Amino acid sequence: DIQMTQSPSSLSASVGDRVTITCRASQSIGSSLNWHQQKPGKAPKLLIFDASILQSGVPSRFSGFGSGTDFTLTITSLQPEDFATYYCQQGNSAPFTFGQGTSLQIK
Amino acid sequence: QLQMQESGPGLVKPSETLFLTCTVSGGSISSGSYYYDWIRQPPGKGLEWIGNVYYRGSTHYNPSLDSRVTLSVDTSKNQFSLKLTSVTAADTAIYYCARHEASRNWFDPWGQGTLVTVSS
Repeated sequence: DIQMTQSPSSLSASVGDRVTITCRASQSIGSSLNWHQQKPGKAPKLLIFDASILQSGVPSRFSGFGSGTDFTLTITSLQPEDFATYYCQQGNSAPFTFGQGTSLQIK
Repeated sequence: QLQMQESGPGLVKPSETLFLTCTVSGGSISSGSYYYDWIRQPPGKGLEWIGNVYYRGSTHYNPSLDSRVTLSVDTSKNQFSLKLTSVTAADTAIYYCARHEASRNWFDPWGQGTLVTVSS
C-alpha cells in the first residue's frame, strides 16, 4: 500500500493568513493526488484533483502543487469557512489511501 | 445533480454482519464509466477506503478487509451495497459512499455518511 503522510497534523492560524499543508507519498504517484476538506459533522468534499486542478466552485484562494512524492495545499487569505480538516488522498493505485489529516484551527 | 445517501442499521452486535445500502439519485448508476466506493471513518479518526464496485458488478477491495467484505450493485434500484461480516468494535465508524470515474481516482460526490456502532 502507498502510505500518505501529512504535516502538520494540526495548525492554528488567523483569518487573512496564508497556510501551507504538506503531503508526502511513500512512493511516486505522479500527479495522482487529491485534496478533500471536511468540516465537523459533515462528509468530506473534494477540493483539488490531479494535484493542482480546482474542483468546480472551489475558491481561487486554494491551490495545489507537486508531483512524484511531495505535494502541497496552500490557502491564501484564510476565511472563517476554511477552518476544517484537510485530507490528501492518492489515486495512483488501489488500495486508495489517505493522509491522517490536518486540522486547521482558528488562532 | 448527483446525490448519494447511505442507509442501514445504526447498531450491529459483535460477530454479526453489517449491511449498508447507498441510493443514488439525480443520475443512473448504469451511465458512464463509474466506480462506486465505500469509505469509512472511525469517530475522531482518519479515512479508510473499503473498496468499490463497477456498475457491471466487478469489485476491488482493500486487502485489509478483503476476507470480510462484499460489495454489490442493483442497477434496477439505482443502489449499491456493502456487506461486512464478523464485525468487532474496531468496525465502529461513519460509513460513506462515494463515486469516482474510471481512470480519475478522486471521490466526488460523497454521501452524507451513516454512523454504525458495533456493540452488544
